Order: sequence, then structure tokens, then C-alpha cells
Amino acid sequence: AQTVTQSQPEMSVQEAETVTLSCTYDTSESNYYLFWYKQPPSRQMILVIRQEAYKQQNATENRFSVNFQKAAKSFSLKISDSQLGDTAMYFCAFIFYNAGNNRKLIWGLGTSLAVNP
Amino acid sequence: EPEVTQTPSHQVTQMGQEVILRCVPISNHLYFYWYRQILGQKVEFLVSFYNNEISEKSEIFDDQFSVERPDGSNFTLKIRSTKLEDSAMYFCASSGAVVTSGGRTDTQYFGPGTRLTVL
Repeated sequence: AQTVTQSQPEMSVQEAETVTLSCTYDTSESNYYLFWYKQPPSRQMILVIRQEAYKQQNATENRFSVNFQKAAKSFSLKISDSQLGDTAMYFCAFIFYNAGNNRKLIWGLGTSLAVNP
Repeated sequence: EPEVTQTPSHQVTQMGQEVILRCVPISNHLYFYWYRQILGQKVEFLVSFYNNEISEKSEIFDDQFSVERPDGSNFTLKIRSTKLEDSAMYFCASSGAVVTSGGRTDTQYFGPGTRLTVL
């Protein structure tokens, strides 16, 4: 079964500090992509960062970076210099590729992050 | 920057009525999706669409649901007879299919969502 587990339902961090959100996943597939999406109070789903499973180098996007541990099936998100606008629900998700055209995202339950002034 | 758009932003309907949710995917994308999110709960996959046909659908996507790409730009989700439990946020997403040297890259970009309220 393909699953994503986010073990921290809620987190908080002080503005300008660093926070790490955890994600583990389970798949028997070898070809897949991992994503973090952000959902602010407006409820729009915004891509934060993505990681190709075949790449060993961890992805970074400005203040956002990941720690991808393929053997452990772990994909954590680090937010540096947290800003008030980072307050949102964060979802970890992945897509795997097989012989067909099936490309649905498999989602975790989300972590609600509050950045405090 | 290209983006996915959805209309309406909020739809209120009576139980048993038909609703059509509309989406305009990013223009050069090939894959289209509908997801839904009941308030405070998990994001759920409904259906994916490629080459003018459904490529995968979930158990939620029963005979009450249908999708269509009536022209070159719109992608619609129809719910024939809405139920109370259909109340949710519905997201449309689209993705390309760019083959890189290391494999495929297939990031799904989401629209702002349509909040459906069934009374």
C-alpha cells in the first residue's frame, strides 16, 4: 500500500527561527516524486518544493529545504527564518510511476504550522 | 506565470441538484485531476484525465460524478445529484509530462478551489 504519514498534527515556531516538519512514506515503487504543498487560510494549495527520488541531492527553494532519506523513506521539510506568512497547513505527498498513466498524488494528513510574532 | 483557474469560488446548492464545477488548466498541460478536501480532513483523489479519457478514478467517483473536457481549455466536474456529504473544497490540478534525462517530472499545479456547500 502507498501511504504518507505526518506524525505532527500541529507545530508552532517563533518568527525568524527554524522549524522542521516530518514526513515518512511507504511505497514499493522505485520511481517516484515527493512534494510539500502549503495550504494557507485561503485554502489554496501551493507547491513549496519537490524532490525526485532518483536524485541524492536534497532540494532547496530559498528558505525551504528538504532532508530526503530514501532508505528510511523519510522526507522532512525545513523552514529557515520563519515568517508570519508561513502560517499554513503543510501537506507531504508523492506520486509514483508505473506502466500506466496513473499519477494521483498520495497525501499525508497535514501538519498545521503556526508562526508566532 | 501560467496558473490553473476555477469557477465559481463558492457554490451553494440544494441536495439533489446538479452542479458543474469548472476549471481552466495550464494551457500546455496534458494531465488533469480533481481532488476534494472535506473541511479539516485529508485531501482525496477523485479522478485523473488524459488524452480525452479517464485514466484513473477513486471509489468516491461513482456514477454521480462525471468529467468532461468540452473544448481545448475547460475541464469540468459534474455532480448529478448532490448529497450533503459532497460538501467540500474541490480542487482542479494539471500537470505536463516533461521527460528529462533522469526520468519524468510531473508536478501538479492546483487551482484556488471551489467551495461546494450542499444544503
